[in-house]
Amino acid sequence: GAGVSQSPRYKVAKRGQDVALRCDPISGHVSLFWYQQALGQGPEFLTYFQNEAQLDKSGLPSDRFFAERPEGSVSTLKIQRTQQEDSAVYLCASSLDGSTGELFFGEGSRLTVL
Amino acid sequence: AQSVTQPDIHITVSEGASLELRCNYSYGATPYLFWYVQSPGQGLQLLLKYFSGDTLVQGIKGFEAEFKRSQSSFNLRKPSVHWSDAAEYFCAVGVPLNTDKLIFGTGTRLQVFP
Repeated sequence: GAGVSQSPRYKVAKRGQDVALRCDPISGHVSLFWYQQALGQGPEFLTYFQNEAQLDKSGLPSDRFFAERPEGSVSTLKIQRTQQEDSAVYLCASSLDGSTGELFFGEGSRLTVL
Repeated sequence: AQSVTQPDIHITVSEGASLELRCNYSYGATPYLFWYVQSPGQGLQLLLKYFSGDTLVQGIKGFEAEFKRSQSSFNLRKPSVHWSDAAEYFCAVGVPLNTDKLIFGTGTRLQVFP
């Protein structure tokens, strides 16, 4: 597709379950970002990839959060043993080379942990 | 550390009225500054950006913003608001050497009355 695609759009998990969120960036975009947006808040940086290399994971809130981009295209954000505080919208964005200042965002995956 | 403050959580204006959304940043050097808009059911979209040069920048949809170093501000303006402008607006600052790693404010929700 022409834009950033995220799936699933909505995910309900029971506390303690593992979840995986997928991001398909714009073709040819080198940089990929994950953000977390809690209700009523702005997006908060989680992690950043340049091709397949994860260059910055300083925003991951705990070791339960793991992200990968093995072939430099599709990325997966995995959350293990989900907690209620993980409930949020997870946004994926891509950019051409990481220096343009223009991120192209997907619509997000809304995670609700019961 | 960089930070962004958007003092107004919610603003209501009448269609056709002028608009100014406030943004203040904290950063020790010349920042890269951005405004993004998030419409219901859509991903964040870049409205405009400031890297250097002319402090008044023009963006899409008739928006403009002015960088004022002395006030550490980057306020967004539009002379005449349309009902379709109702959305959430986010100001963001870019991190040096990685301009696409953005730090977002908490957002301002704009409501437009006919």
